[in-house]
Amino acid sequence: DQQVKQNSPSLSVQEGRISILNCDYTNSMFDYFLWYKKYPAEGPTFLISISSIKDKNEDGRFTVFLNKSAKHLSLHIVPSQPGDSAVYFCAASDVNGNQFYFGTGTSLTVIP
Amino acid sequence: GAVVSQHPSRVICKSGTSVKIECRSLDFQATTMFWYRQFPKQSLMLMATSNEGSKATYEQGVEKDKFLINHASLTLSTLTVTSAHPEDSSFYICSATPKGPYNEQFFGPGTRLTVL
Repeated sequence: DQQVKQNSPSLSVQEGRISILNCDYTNSMFDYFLWYKKYPAEGPTFLISISSIKDKNEDGRFTVFLNKSAKHLSLHIVPSQPGDSAVYFCAASDVNGNQFYFGTGTSLTVIP
Repeated sequence: GAVVSQHPSRVICKSGTSVKIECRSLDFQATTMFWYRQFPKQSLMLMATSNEGSKATYEQGVEKDKFLINHASLTLSTLTVTSAHPEDSSFYICSATPKGPYNEQFFGPGTRLTVL
């Protein structure tokens, strides 16, 4: 069964507004969470990560929030830009990073 | 939900030997499977795209004779690292796309290869 889930396959947002991408996981042993961005015909590129000892990590326009009790993380992009249009994957691993579990991706479209 | 498995999850081998990694879609038919290599800063490099019954399409810079990919059925793709060198040590991840109108990708858990 999928241990990391992204329940929204697609999302459309107006340029300048906030994009919120959600991710849920089932395994409480996951210790490290990552977001990747993927353009067509390319491999996913690492975007931002968060460890389980934090509940928020910010890098420029990108912020990841982690709610361990709800087993939920989200990626906020503010303000959204047309160049942010891509597929976003969340992933989780245990503390040793021995295995990675990916969600199925959310396709974000930022409308100019 | 759809599941992709990889076997083995970890492998240690001697330099010069070959290692085979399997990627299986357990409950769906995958028209396309992708092989990635994960680099230290967490980015995934797409190595090749594998379609069932046809030759894999390799990305620029990936040696097709060194990284042999076989997509023998709609549920199985294999990556063989031939004549492995220590610099091939890495984390290899596959993903699979089911038949159908959607472009979801289901990722395997990865295989950690260590070449001594």
